[in-house]
Amino acid sequence: AQRVTQPEKLLSVFKGAPVELKCNYSYSGSPELFWYVQYSRQRLQLLLRHISRESIKGFTADLNKGETSFHLKKPFAQEEDSAMYYCALGGPHGNTGKLIFGQGTTLQVKP
Amino acid sequence: NAGVTQTPKFQVLKTGQSMTLQCAQDMNHNSMYWYRQDPGMGLRLIYYSASEGTTDKGEVPNGYNVSRLNKREFSLRLESAAPSQTSVYFCASSEVSWAAYEQYFGPGTRLTVT
Repeated sequence: AQRVTQPEKLLSVFKGAPVELKCNYSYSGSPELFWYVQYSRQRLQLLLRHISRESIKGFTADLNKGETSFHLKKPFAQEEDSAMYYCALGGPHGNTGKLIFGQGTTLQVKP
Repeated sequence: NAGVTQTPKFQVLKTGQSMTLQCAQDMNHNSMYWYRQDPGMGLRLIYYSASEGTTDKGEVPNGYNVSRLNKREFSLRLESAAPSQTSVYFCASSEVSWAAYEQYFGPGTRLTVT
């Protein structure tokens, strides 16, 4: 069964510290993985997807199929990074576009 | 271009009352989705519609019904609201129906059932 696990409900760091939000998935096929972000009073929006291999707002995420992980990283956290982050899993053809979301991690960046 | 819109933004219901949450998108997307967001549970898919005229159950469909009225609109109905349905409801849409693509979300409806 498809499943996404984000083990941390809350991650609190100081400004300038490195950040790693953990995401592990369970999927027998070839996964497509995403990170979505929800800033305060804003709607949920896509941050990045693994297939793009790009860095958005300084965040990167590498798909590790051996460890079935897709951790989100940023070397130096900023206060404006404070938000709720969701890892999401989708499958390829025939999946009807559905995504399975993790429980979410609240990132709090302290000044 | 408003993207995905939802009405109402807030609603309080009494147990047993019914209501319909409205969702519309102006991006000509094929697929639309309804999620609920609960603390510690993340976003859970209630129902989705891969294309106009089709709907399918998601992870937590009990107590809900949906209607894909046309390509733009996808409504969620609570026939007899229960306190367990207190949640924030999000509608989303995506361009394709056969693969995982970026989903665009509405602003959400905060529903309280007393």
